[in-house]
Amino acid sequence: NAGVTQTPKFQVLKTGQSMTLQCAQDMNHEYMSWYRQDPGMGLRLIHYSVGAGITDQGEVPNGYNVSRSTTEDFPLRLLSAAPSQTSVYFCASSAASGGARDTQYFGPGTRLTVL
Amino acid sequence: KNEVEQSPQNLTAQEGEFITINCSYSVGISALHWLQQHPGGGIVSLFMLSSGKKKHGRLIATINIQEKHSSLHITASHPRDSAVYICAGGGSEKLVFGKGTKLTVNP
Repeated sequence: NAGVTQTPKFQVLKTGQSMTLQCAQDMNHEYMSWYRQDPGMGLRLIHYSVGAGITDQGEVPNGYNVSRSTTEDFPLRLLSAAPSQTSVYFCASSAASGGARDTQYFGPGTRLTVL
Repeated sequence: KNEVEQSPQNLTAQEGEFITINCSYSVGISALHWLQQHPGGGIVSLFMLSSGKKKHGRLIATINIQEKHSSLHITASHPRDSAVYICAGGGSEKLVFGKGTKLTVNP
């Protein structure tokens, strides 16, 4: 099993550009989530999904969109990048739909810089 | 005020020392997670617990539900234990994370 994969590993964008961060898991997990990690702050939840076709907002959803058309994939879209979105982004999954109650599996992260 | 607080923020130890990292939370949770973030950035789950104590190798995690407090202990610490240790708590669908404790173990 590859576990949780994320692409790209690094990305540089200009303000106003859009892009999609990819996340995939091959463990047939119900729960998937996106976090951002900024210096001096804990991981913060952007969006999450408890199963295919179901998504919901986390703590910091503004400027981001998600969809979950398959169990395996959970892409994160930046609609119009801003310097405040410079961060490291992690995707995670867990087996149970109540994701907080199950072991979390993290992807390797995407380091995004917005100029 | 963050709902999950960790202490200390930074910890330096000599190889072989017993390490304790603390986590307090102010929200109701169904599970408490301990994670390790390697210097290269990857995050792995160490423990998930809702009561009592769990042990894996030199790592021990405990939780006191009444006091809303959890501890992560490392016995016989080693330089390879150097990492950021993160606790997180969640009710059902959302996890709230502490800011992490950076541990450095010197040889």
